[in-house]
Amino acid sequence: EAGVTQFPSHSVIEKGQTVTLRCDPISGHDNLYWYRRVMGKEIKFLLHFVKESKQDESGMPNNRFLAERTGGTYSTLKVQPAELEDSGVYFCASSRRLSTAAEAFFGQGTRLTVV
Amino acid sequence: GDSVTQMEGPVTLSEEAFLTINCTYTATGYPSLFWYVQYPGEGLQLLLKATKADDKGSNKGFEATYRKETTSFHLEKGSVQVSDSAVYFCALTEKTSYDKVIFGPGTSLSVIP
Repeated sequence: EAGVTQFPSHSVIEKGQTVTLRCDPISGHDNLYWYRRVMGKEIKFLLHFVKESKQDESGMPNNRFLAERTGGTYSTLKVQPAELEDSGVYFCASSRRLSTAAEAFFGQGTRLTVV
Repeated sequence: GDSVTQMEGPVTLSEEAFLTINCTYTATGYPSLFWYVQYPGEGLQLLLKATKADDKGSNKGFEATYRKETTSFHLEKGSVQVSDSAVYFCALTEKTSYDKVIFGPGTSLSVIP
């Protein structure tokens, strides 16, 4: 069984540009989470999808961030326009419908560098 | 709000040394506690967990005991190996809000032969 896959693994963009991160969850997992770790600090929750619906987006930092999960399969996280403070590692995780967030399987992360 | 604090790294140990990574938490309710590990080039993995006071979580030689009186969940291993080199994250979930994990800042461990 394939794990959670994130694309790209690394991305370097200039301030003001747009970047789209993609997460492919484990097949059949209804729950999908986005987290990020900025500047070696704690990993912070961004949002939680149940299928295609946003269950909780309280962690989204501002309206430059847009997450989608059309069709309830893969998810994208777009940052537009990117700022320097957006640099960090973005993690995606997925779990089965009745599982808790702690039981989610994590991807390797996308390292985003904004210069 | 809820938060997790853990000792700052990086921590460097010789092989077979004893490991302790301290973790304390602040929570309004009665959380479940976890340790995650991220090996180089890999995703986060759940290492162990404890869901109530005095529970001991264990896995791969690592142990941590849920201490409600001191709000702590310190990670220990009696004899580390080079393969234990990784970043370790202490974390919690609140029983009233299962949809997110609250992580500490992570502690980087390097084990040298």
